[in-house]
Amino acid sequence: DIQMTQSPSSLSASVGDRVTITCRASQGISNNLAWFRQKPGKAPRSLIYAASSLQSGVSSNFTGSGSGTDFTLIISSLQPEDFATYYCQQYDDYPCTFGQGTKLEIK
Amino acid sequence: QVHLVQSGAEVKKPGASVKVSCKTSGYTFASYDIHWVRQAPGQRLEWMGWINIGNGKTKNSQNFQGRLTITRDTSASTAYMEVSSLRVEDTALYYCARRGVYGDYDYWGQGTLVTVSS
Repeated sequence: DIQMTQSPSSLSASVGDRVTITCRASQGISNNLAWFRQKPGKAPRSLIYAASSLQSGVSSNFTGSGSGTDFTLIISSLQPEDFATYYCQQYDDYPCTFGQGTKLEIK
Repeated sequence: QVHLVQSGAEVKKPGASVKVSCKTSGYTFASYDIHWVRQAPGQRLEWMGWINIGNGKTKNSQNFQGRLTITRDTSASTAYMEVSSLRVEDTALYYCARRGVYGDYDYWGQGTLVTVSS
């Protein structure tokens, strides 16, 4: 199975800050990577697909980049609704696998 | 508006079975695969399996060793996931998700909590 490793596991930041979350795959996955956000008790929401494409309706504050094994999610200016847990997911090969999550908290 | 609405929470005893439904609306059901993912307490998300809604073919994670059955009812635009021979470690939030045209999960259900306890 392809292992996905996110960093950091948790992060404290303030509204308006720029934050960066990284995700590394244990083998090359081309650009078959997605990012999504999950708030407690809520369904995950897709943010980015194909490593860098923004899902419809998602704020342009979110930027994804990378290919192969190393990927990055940048939130350029944190909004109150952005404090949540973020996950990366590879869908290059079965089984699809997920990162362990990055919990973004208010400083 | 695309919606995936799952059935309610379940409490089961070890050895029992549980069946969770995922009712979809807002799109052509047969045009998109449905995947199932679960998250046990404190664990990362785990992919379980998927169903091709058009032809009913399925692929399951080997981690379930024949305990997982995924089906669909096209007349009801609903997918189902059944886990048999439940174990305490099957306690988790179970999600259905639609696989979008680019391969990612573009819409998710709200999750169904399954608790396995004696």
